Amino acid sequence: AQTVTQSQPEMSVQEAETVTLSCTYDTSESNYYLFWYKQPPSRQMILVIRQEAYKQQNATENRFSVNFQKAAKSFSLKISDSQLGDTAMYFCAFGGGAQKLVFGQGTRLTINP
Amino acid sequence: GAGVSQTPSNKVTEKGKYVELRCDPISGHTALYWYRQSLGQGPEFLIYFQGTGAADDSGLPNDRFFAVRPEGSVSTLKIQRTERGDSAVYLCASSLNPGGANVLTFGAGSRLTVL
Repeated sequence: AQTVTQSQPEMSVQEAETVTLSCTYDTSESNYYLFWYKQPPSRQMILVIRQEAYKQQNATENRFSVNFQKAAKSFSLKISDSQLGDTAMYFCAFGGGAQKLVFGQGTRLTINP
Repeated sequence: GAGVSQTPSNKVTEKGKYVELRCDPISGHTALYWYRQSLGQGPEFLIYFQGTGAADDSGLPNDRFFAVRPEGSVSTLKIQRTERGDSAVYLCASSLNPGGANVLTFGAGSRLTVL
């Protein structure tokens, strides 16, 4: 079974700084997808970014980018020029042949003014 | 609808009672998922539907939990003889098709508190 591990329970940075959230996963599959979801206090999970494992190029979405290291099974999220609205829980998730997402434990990110 | 709608938003019940949680997915989405999120944890998979049928119910913790999707749209998660350990946020999500590649759109969840 797949597992997803987020080793940073909490992180805190100042507004406009860059922050990197870590995620590692374990799988025997070769074709899969990785996701970062954001969960603000409203509870609704929002997709931040998606990476296809067969693509070597790291995904980017505006201020959000990933560092995908397939051999190391690592999938970190970098947030540049952080904003107060980035304050939320962030979850890394694995999507493979089992047709469902497996989530990590989450990292609580606080952006301070 | 425009998004995934879940009702009720909050539910407080007493131990031993029966509870139903409803999910109305995005129109046209064939896949529907239920997750449970305990305080401070990531969502844990419960069950997913492809159309009307439960394609994978391996995450349901015991036989007190049951879910239906009779017409392939709205789904109801049913919990019998609730226990305090059932207290959590129950998240519903839908996607156009099933599969690990597909982006899930989540609802805001139903917070269940069992006293």
